[in-house]
Amino acid sequence: DAKTTQPTSMDCAEGRAANLPCNHSTISGNEYVYWYRQIHSQGPQYIIHGLKNNETNEMASLIITEDRKSSTLILPHATLRDTAVYYCIVRTQGGSEKLVFGKGTKLTVNP
Amino acid sequence: NAGVTQTPKFRVLKTGQSMTLLCAQDMNHEYMYWYRQDPGMGLRLIHYSVGEGTTAKGEVPDGYNVSRLKKQNFLLGLESAAPSQTSVYFCASSRGWNTEAFFGQGTRLTVV
Repeated sequence: DAKTTQPTSMDCAEGRAANLPCNHSTISGNEYVYWYRQIHSQGPQYIIHGLKNNETNEMASLIITEDRKSSTLILPHATLRDTAVYYCIVRTQGGSEKLVFGKGTKLTVNP
Repeated sequence: NAGVTQTPKFRVLKTGQSMTLLCAQDMNHEYMYWYRQDPGMGLRLIHYSVGEGTTAKGEVPDGYNVSRLKKQNFLLGLESAAPSQTSVYFCASSRGWNTEAFFGQGTRLTVV
């Protein structure tokens, strides 16, 4: 699986959009980008995933650059409950039965 | 529909004791995973399974064994607990490799 690079921490004001970047410059054509988050002491929670098209669900939007070397997770109206560690993961079939987490980005939403 | 249930939620062991952590899922998922998370660190994969009767090593398998005799259960065993195994353990399951994983609420294990 391609490796990912994320900032260690970010801050965001409540009610504003939170844009969390992820670099995956070695990603290959059949690798998917996944996002999970972990709110303090809880089990991680799936957010969204995509291959090359932008994706949106009730939680967030995922924007993948045309060259697929980076992506951005967007929380459109961050709330205090969105304070968590956000993990960007790249997975591919046939060798990616493992689900391996990196260090993630600690997002703090401030009042 | 309980999702992923971990038993027990808390446990204190003495060095050298053995124990088994149970993970049960009621979603008929093929894939199951065991992770550990130490303070201030990310999750590290211990072992995983891609189906009933199969297991495979993850990033940090030493000191742990697993079994998947039934599709809905994934057991994590510590044969001789060490203080270095003090951690929070999370179990997860997913339908396939490319589907979302669901996590349990964790087991806090302290080895003294």
